[in-house]
Amino acid sequence: NAGVTQTPKFQVLKTGQSMTLQCAQDMNHEYMSWYRQDPGMGLRLIHYSVGAGITDQGEVPNGYNVSRSTTEDFPLRLLSAAPSQTSVYFCASSRPGAGELFFGEGSRLTVL
Amino acid sequence: GDSVTQMEGPVTLSEEAFLTINCTYTATGYPSLFWYVQYPGEGLQLLLKATKADDKGSNKGFEATYRKETTSFHLEKGSVQVSDSAVYFCALSPYNFNKFYFGSGTKLNVKP
Repeated sequence: NAGVTQTPKFQVLKTGQSMTLQCAQDMNHEYMSWYRQDPGMGLRLIHYSVGAGITDQGEVPNGYNVSRSTTEDFPLRLLSAAPSQTSVYFCASSRPGAGELFFGEGSRLTVL
Repeated sequence: GDSVTQMEGPVTLSEEAFLTINCTYTATGYPSLFWYVQYPGEGLQLLLKATKADDKGSNKGFEATYRKETTSFHLEKGSVQVSDSAVYFCALSPYNFNKFYFGSGTKLNVKP
């Protein structure tokens, strides 16, 4: 059972570089989201999507882009990485109205 | 705006001790409330939830009751085990489950 799969698990970037964190789910969930986890701050919502072609901003969207071309995939793009984006990123999905998020194992990003 | 506040950790207990982790929330309307657990190196997973006032969520010996009058959703367990060592997150979601707001997390260490 794959569930929610995130890649890569670890990444080191230099300031100004761009990269994409991949997220794929095989549960046919319409809802997908990205969170960042920082010490003492819990999880904060970056972007979310309620279905293919529909995305919206969360609490901390600046510096990140998303798109949702298929139900399965929801990539998160960092356009020009900054040290403030050093964090652990989690992708999560759920069925509409179900109220339970299924999380990936996380991607640890370090920006030097 | 909607938010969750939970007690700071870490909480260190001996095996078989009683556990309480406090969680209070601020929200408009009638949100659903959740406890998620994160074991080392893993993503978050749902522990229990309650969708309306006075509901009690329970799972694996953990319980929490949705108290609208005190805007609280405290997590309790009568007898903790070493295997319960993890980080616990309180969360809320407005009625449509499109956004989740997480607390900062409470790390629980259980010593044998």
